[in-house]
Amino acid sequence: EDKVVQSPLSLVVHEGDTVTLNCSYEVTNFRSLLWYKQEKKAPTFLFMLTSSGIEKKSGRLSSILDKKELFSILNITATQTGDSAVYLCAGTGANSKLTFGKGITLSVRP
Amino acid sequence: NAGVMQNPRHLVRRRGQEARLRCSPMKGHSHVYWYRQLPEEGLKFMVYLQKENIIDESGMPKERFSAEFPKEGPSILRIQQVVRGDSAAYFCASSPLIGPAEAFFGQGTRLTVV
Repeated sequence: EDKVVQSPLSLVVHEGDTVTLNCSYEVTNFRSLLWYKQEKKAPTFLFMLTSSGIEKKSGRLSSILDKKELFSILNITATQTGDSAVYLCAGTGANSKLTFGKGITLSVRP
Repeated sequence: NAGVMQNPRHLVRRRGQEARLRCSPMKGHSHVYWYRQLPEEGLKFMVYLQKENIIDESGMPKERFSAEFPKEGPSILRIQQVVRGDSAAYFCASSPLIGPAEAFFGQGTRLTVV
């Protein structure tokens, strides 16, 4: 059975800090790794990663995939209170169904 | 281009009633996925549909749950004879094609069974 594990489960930081969120996966016929941000409503797409070692960047957020070690990280630099959310990682396999981790709850204090 | 539309946003049903949840995918998207999210849990895959076809229903309970995506109209997730344990947020996602492609989520339907 496909499995995605995220760590830590929760994190509290202060504005301006840099955080690293971890995601390891075991997905049969792995195709891609996706990151979402969820703020009490629909998960919002952040990144899709398919190739190892290629960093994807969007503003203060960046992510990278290691297909050999089967993990991905999501970095957020200069955190703001608006970054407080649950960050979800999901792996996709042959039929593109998403297997999600339980999520990482990030709280950014002013 | 409207996003993925789900309705209703909130649904309250008494035990034993039926719940119907609707999902209209993004324009041009022919792949629909349904997920369930329980409190303090991640999103759990239920079913994957293309127009008029169920591709993978491995995550859906065998009894009381069914899903369809007709040629015309939205995808429907139907739960018959609801029980308290069905209370959850149900999310629909759509993508334009199979393979590595972003899946975009709707706002979800929060089902409460009383």
